[in-house]
Amino acid sequence: KAGVTQTPRYLIKTRGQQVTLSCSPISGHRSVSWYQQTPGQGLQFLFEYFSETQRNKGNFPGRFSGRQFSNSRSEMNVSTLELGDSALYLCASSLSGLFGYTEAFFGQGTRLTVV
Amino acid sequence: TQLLEQSPQFLSIQEGENLTVYCNSSSVFSSLQWYRQEPGEGPVLLVTVVTGGEVKKLKRLTFQFGDARKDSSLHITAAQPGDTGLYLCAGEVTQGGSEKLVFGKGTKLTVNP
Repeated sequence: KAGVTQTPRYLIKTRGQQVTLSCSPISGHRSVSWYQQTPGQGLQFLFEYFSETQRNKGNFPGRFSGRQFSNSRSEMNVSTLELGDSALYLCASSLSGLFGYTEAFFGQGTRLTVV
Repeated sequence: TQLLEQSPQFLSIQEGENLTVYCNSSSVFSSLQWYRQEPGEGPVLLVTVVTGGEVKKLKRLTFQFGDARKDSSLHITAAQPGDTGLYLCAGEVTQGGSEKLVFGKGTKLTVNP
């Protein structure tokens, strides 16, 4: 079956602009999580959506937001971009504890560069 | 707060050598996953361990979950250049009534031919 699909793969934006990233989870997965990965901080949790509701949120400013649609596809938005937002943004889908534990399946990521 | 500490942070070895990567925490996890990530790609799940003391083998890779479910190790036997990558451990915790994964910063492994 198809894996997690993230679009676009690469993005270059100017400071102050906003950006929207998209994630299509594995069919049947209702949980979608977003992570920011940088060389210095590693993988940091942004938020998780399940059945169109945000269930968990990391310690990121309000400029980072997301949503999930009824077909489980998710979008992440970053407004007023800063240079420090340059990172690999990863989306992961999971069955969210259906078997008693959670396994995340990641997309290839979107490489965002803010100039 | 970094809940999961991975060590070493960097490891460069020759083909054929053995190595062990560690993942430590003061927190108890309901499960722990190991992922491998190649440059420019997303992490790929290698294994999930759930029970304290559990050992799982995946070809030349052996994964162990600590008895207290606070730590884990990944041992690679006879490493090959294809094992090169960033190895990440992730512990599952319950927050706000739902589960979430907390990642270590990773061990960057280079296996030289």
